[in-house]
Amino acid sequence: DIQMTQSPSSLSASVGDRVTITCRASQGISNFLNWYQQKPGKAPKLLIYATSSLQSGVPSRFSGSGSRTDFTLTISSLQPEDFATYYCQQSYTNLYTFGQGTKLEIK
Amino acid sequence: QVQLVQSGSELKKPGASVKVSCKASGYTFTTYAINWVRQAPGQGLECMGWINTNTGSPTYAQGFTGRFVFSLDTSVSTAYLQISSLKSEDTAVYYCARRTVDYGDRGFNWLDPWGQGTLFTVSS
Repeated sequence: DIQMTQSPSSLSASVGDRVTITCRASQGISNFLNWYQQKPGKAPKLLIYATSSLQSGVPSRFSGSGSRTDFTLTISSLQPEDFATYYCQQSYTNLYTFGQGTKLEIK
Repeated sequence: QVQLVQSGSELKKPGASVKVSCKASGYTFTTYAINWVRQAPGQGLECMGWINTNTGSPTYAQGFTGRFVFSLDTSVSTAYLQISSLKSEDTAVYYCARRTVDYGDRGFNWLDPWGQGTLFTVSS
């Protein structure tokens, strides 16, 4: 199985901050990397697919980059509604695996 | 619009079985696979596997073989997850999600949309 490791596990930040979350795959996955946002009690929501493609309706302050084993999700200017947990997920193999999540909290 | 609607929360005793449904609408059901994802209380997302909605062939992740069964009723555009011999550690929210595929030359794929989730609580 491909292991996905996110860092940090949690992060405190303020509205307006620029935030970066990283995700590392245990083997090369090309650009088969997706990002999801989950708020408490809700289903995950797709933010970014194929490393850097923004899902329709997702604000442009979200961006993704990387390739092979190292990937990042960046939020350019945090808004109050962005405080949530973020997951990366590889889709290089048919059996997907997720990172452990990064909880983004208000400082 | 494209959506997946899951059946409601369940409270079951250890040893019982449970079956959750995931009804798709807004697209041709057999075009995209359905994935199942588990989220234990306070924990992250765990992929359980997926089912090919065209052939009905399921694929299970490690740790989800034996007691877990994915099935379909394509006549009503619905996928099912059945868990037998329930244990307390099966208590979790279970999500279905459509495996959306970019059928271009790279075949990128992702999970969207998701069902709203179904909470199974296993308790005596």
